[in-house]
Amino acid sequence: NAGVTQTPKFQVLKTGQSMTLQCAQDMNHEYMSWYRQDPGMGLRLIHYSVGAGITDQGEVPNGYNVSRSTTEDFPLRLLSAAPSQTSVYFCASSLSHNEQFFGPGTRLTVL
Amino acid sequence: GQQLNQSPQSMFIQEGEDVSMNCTSSSIFNTWLWYKQDPGEGPVLLIALYKAGELTSNGRLTAQFGITRKDSFLNISASIPSDVGIYFCAGQGGATNKLIFGTGTLLAVQP
Repeated sequence: NAGVTQTPKFQVLKTGQSMTLQCAQDMNHEYMSWYRQDPGMGLRLIHYSVGAGITDQGEVPNGYNVSRSTTEDFPLRLLSAAPSQTSVYFCASSLSHNEQFFGPGTRLTVL
Repeated sequence: GQQLNQSPQSMFIQEGEDVSMNCTSSSIFNTWLWYKQDPGEGPVLLIALYKAGELTSNGRLTAQFGITRKDSFLNISASIPSDVGIYFCAGQGGATNKLIFGTGTLLAVQP
């Protein structure tokens, strides 16, 4: 099993550009989520999904969209990147919404 | 947003020393989790706790679910250089029933 995979590993964007961060898991987990990690802030929940076709907002959803068309994939879209979205983004999956398994992260810089 | 109070923020110790860290919350939690994050990687689950008073070990690591359900503790015995990293607590429960992360404890171990 590859577990949770994320692409790309690094990305640099200009303000206003859009992009999609990819996340996939091969563990047949129903629950998937996106977090951002900023210095001194821990991990903050952006969006989550409890199954294909179902998504909901987390603590910091503004500026991000998600969709869940399959159990395996949960992409995160930045509609119009802003410098405040410079962060490390982690995708996670779990059978329930507690013991989450994390991907390796995407390091995003917005200039 | 709601965050857990995790302390200490950082620890610089000698190899062989024991380590203690804790998390406290104003809310009652049903689950406490402890994660470790190595540099450039995603968090990895160390220990999961589901019952007040529960004491669980994973090798040299021992974690406890506080009796009040508002705190949890992690101890590392006889630290080694590979223990270096950031340790996060996470609690699930409270008003949102979502997983909430602490701000992390940075551990440095000098050989």
